[in-house]
Amino acid sequence: GESVGLHLPTLSVQEGDNSIINCAYSNSASDYFIWYKQESGKGPQFIIDIRSNMDKRQGQRVTVLLNKTVKHLSLQIAATQPGDSAVYFCAENITGRRALTFGSGTRLQVQP
Amino acid sequence: DTGVSQNPRHKITKRGQNVTFRCDPISEHNRLYWYRQTLGQGPEFLTYFQNEAQLEKSRLLSDRFSAERPKGSFSTLEIQRTEQGDSAMYLCASSTRDRVSTEAFFGQGTRLTVV
Repeated sequence: GESVGLHLPTLSVQEGDNSIINCAYSNSASDYFIWYKQESGKGPQFIIDIRSNMDKRQGQRVTVLLNKTVKHLSLQIAATQPGDSAVYFCAENITGRRALTFGSGTRLQVQP
Repeated sequence: DTGVSQNPRHKITKRGQNVTFRCDPISEHNRLYWYRQTLGQGPEFLTYFQNEAQLEKSRLLSDRFSAERPKGSFSTLEIQRTEQGDSAMYLCASSTRDRVSTEAFFGQGTRLTVV
């Protein structure tokens, strides 16, 4: 994944607004993608996943969009809440590999 | 608590010492993964077990690192002759072959500090 050192990209939104977090991936062989949420001092928590044969998948307050043409993944969070404040990572699974490859994270800060 | 459990949560050790971490996966999850995460980075894959067999190891897993899963349940990760560069969060994850997805459930990690 890309290295961003200690300075994660940060998205700051107002409580109640919608949030969009973006992720670029580079391997066209990737066929499965996951978004994880990680709070300070905790392990990554599964949010939503999508397979490469889909363009969009919706969960509760979250939507993942996949654009294979430009190798882009986004996570949309509706009506963002203070509890959504965390670092968000996208991860990809490359066909034939067991491991997930994580991208660089984005810190989401929700202002009350 | 039926999630992935890791012990200890924190470990401070002197350079050169050996450390061992334990991971208890979700019951009946036959796949187990170890990842390492440094500050500000996403987790990086270290190794993978299917049942008791270690099927994949990353280049990151140097000779000082060894992982075992003797009975196909819990796993241990040992680091010998620790170096300051080993300081990181060590994460364990498990998943089941019965799921359509390959989503992995992570534990809360063991934070290692080498002084």
